[in-house]
Amino acid sequence: DIQLTQSPSFLSASVGDRVTITCRASQGISSYLAWYQQKPGKAPQLLIYAASTLQSGVPSRFSGSGSGTEFTLTISSLQPEDFATYYCQQLNSYPRTFGQGTKLEIK
Amino acid sequence: QVQLQQWGAGLLKPSETLSLTCAVYGGSFSDYYWSWIRQSPGKGLEWIGEINHSGDTNYNPSLKGRVTISVDTSKNQFSLKLTSVTAADTAVYFCAGGYTNVDGFDYWGQGTLVTVSS
Repeated sequence: DIQLTQSPSFLSASVGDRVTITCRASQGISSYLAWYQQKPGKAPQLLIYAASTLQSGVPSRFSGSGSGTEFTLTISSLQPEDFATYYCQQLNSYPRTFGQGTKLEIK
Repeated sequence: QVQLQQWGAGLLKPSETLSLTCAVYGGSFSDYYWSWIRQSPGKGLEWIGEINHSGDTNYNPSLKGRVTISVDTSKNQFSLKLTSVTAADTAVYFCAGGYTNVDGFDYWGQGTLVTVSS
């Protein structure tokens, strides 16, 4: 199985900050990576797919980059509604796997 | 707009079979790949498996042959069965769908908490 390691696991930031979350794959996955946002008690919401393609309806302050084994999710200017947990997922091979999550908290 | 609604038993005893169904409203059922994912505090998000409208499936080997995903195209529904459950199968189970099987899951059900306890 391909393992995905996110860093950091916890992140404390303020409204207006620029934040970056990293996802590293245990082997190359080309650009078959998705990012999700999850709020408590809710299902995850797709933010980005194919490493850098913004899902329809997602604000442009979210962006993704990377290929191979290292990927990043960047939020350019944090808004109050962005405080949540973020997960990466690889779709290069089976079984599909997720990172352990990054919890973004208000400083 | 595609919407997913899921249902099934929320409390099971060890060795019983977990059974969940997900109904798809809106969109074209045959255009999507349909998956089940679960989330427990100890293991985070775990992909269980997927199916397409033709019934082609892929499963997570970690579930060691206990899982079956099926589809009923006449009702725009797909289902999950997980046999011989234990406390380790306690989790929130989500159904989800994606237009392709490599671009993530666009649509999610509301989630069902399944607790396995004697």
